[in-house]
Amino acid sequence: GEEVAQTPKHLVRGEGQKAKLYCAPIKGHSYVFWYQQVLKNEFKFLISFQNENVFDETGMPKERFSAKCLPNSPCSLEIQATKLEDSAVYFCASSQSGITGELFFGEGSRLTVL
Amino acid sequence: GENVEQHPSTLSVQEGDSAVIKCTYSDSASNYFPWYKQELGKRPQLIIDIRSNVGEKKDQRIAVTLNKTAKHFSLHITETQPEDSAVYFCAASLNTGGFKTIFGAGTRLFVKA
Repeated sequence: GEEVAQTPKHLVRGEGQKAKLYCAPIKGHSYVFWYQQVLKNEFKFLISFQNENVFDETGMPKERFSAKCLPNSPCSLEIQATKLEDSAVYFCASSQSGITGELFFGEGSRLTVL
Repeated sequence: GENVEQHPSTLSVQEGDSAVIKCTYSDSASNYFPWYKQELGKRPQLIIDIRSNVGEKKDQRIAVTLNKTAKHFSLHITETQPEDSAVYFCAASLNTGGFKTIFGAGTRLFVKA
């Protein structure tokens, strides 16, 4: 597609429940990135992929967060046993060029953990 | 790892005035510096970028400067308009075997009519 598509737009979970977010990158873009934006606006890098391979996962809280980009499927970000502090907008972005290319962002998925 | 500092956090200007937002980065290996604009409730969008082999770049009312020695880069918006009101993020990209773009904390710009 012409835009990065993220689903769902809103997700509400009770503390301890699982949350799963999806991202379809722009067709032809090889790189996918996940960012977490909390209320103070700051973007925290979580993970990047080059096609289906993890490129950089240094931002991922590995105990509860996992992500995948499988061929012919939307990419996913999953949070096991959500905590209150996981409440944020999760943005997915894709890029044609890995290092010096524009990031095209989706509209974000707002996760609220109660 | 890379750290990007951005100042000020809030900036209020009168319509027609100029606005300047400044960023510093820590990793000299960073070689690509984009600026994104995020309007309330919307996705961030690239407004201008600069690569490390260039010192200055201009696009209509927007310009960016880069000082590699000092690890500073700045966004300049001239003749500001109310529609320029948004949060602006600077960022630095580097490849350290992996790849990531690290964002500054953002500057909320208010342009008063």
